Amino acid sequence: AQSVTQLGSHVSVSEGALVLLRCNYSSSVPPYLFWYVQYPNQGLQLLLKYTSAATLVKGINGFEAEFKKSETSFHLTKPSAHMSDAAEYFCAVSPTGGGNKLTFGTGTQLKVEL
Amino acid sequence: KAGVTQTPRYLIKTRGQQVTLSCSPISGHRSVSWYQQTPGQGLQFLFEYFSETQRNKGNFPGRFSGRQFSNSRSEMNVSTLELGDSALYLCASSLSAGGPDEQFFGPGTRLTVL
Repeated sequence: AQSVTQLGSHVSVSEGALVLLRCNYSSSVPPYLFWYVQYPNQGLQLLLKYTSAATLVKGINGFEAEFKKSETSFHLTKPSAHMSDAAEYFCAVSPTGGGNKLTFGTGTQLKVEL
Repeated sequence: KAGVTQTPRYLIKTRGQQVTLSCSPISGHRSVSWYQQTPGQGLQFLFEYFSETQRNKGNFPGRFSGRQFSNSRSEMNVSTLELGDSALYLCASSLSAGGPDEQFFGPGTRLTVL
């Protein structure tokens, strides 16, 4: 079965600092990978997705992620954190050709401090 | 374009009762998926419907059921409610069921079981 592991349930950065949220996947074949963000009392919003095209994926709000098959990783980064980035971030995987079923990681709560 | 709408937004029920939650997808979207979000278990896939047919099902007991109508609107039903069913129930819609289409999430229905 496919799964994702998010290292660090809470990450705190200073405004303007680099944001790095870690995600490792487990799959026998390269799956589709996603990063979602959830603000309080809201649903999830897609930040970016990997679908076996370019390994460096650019998303919304300045976020990007790099697919590294050798490390089975799909870490999310943003060069400069903004206060508005404070939210919970979820990495998710879905099997290729397997419909829209998403398997989510446990989430990382990002705190941005002045 | 209107987003995914879920009704009701909040619901309080007692153990043993049943509940029906509704989801209206984005116009033109034919795939609807349901997820349960709890602090303990995180985000878990319940089921996916496409063109009124259940395409995928998660690992939930039979008390959880769903359906999709010809206009793509979907409902999920939970019978014989248990305290552990208290959760945020999220609905997501996408254009097709082939993946990896972006899934657009609604704001969720917060169910509290007393």
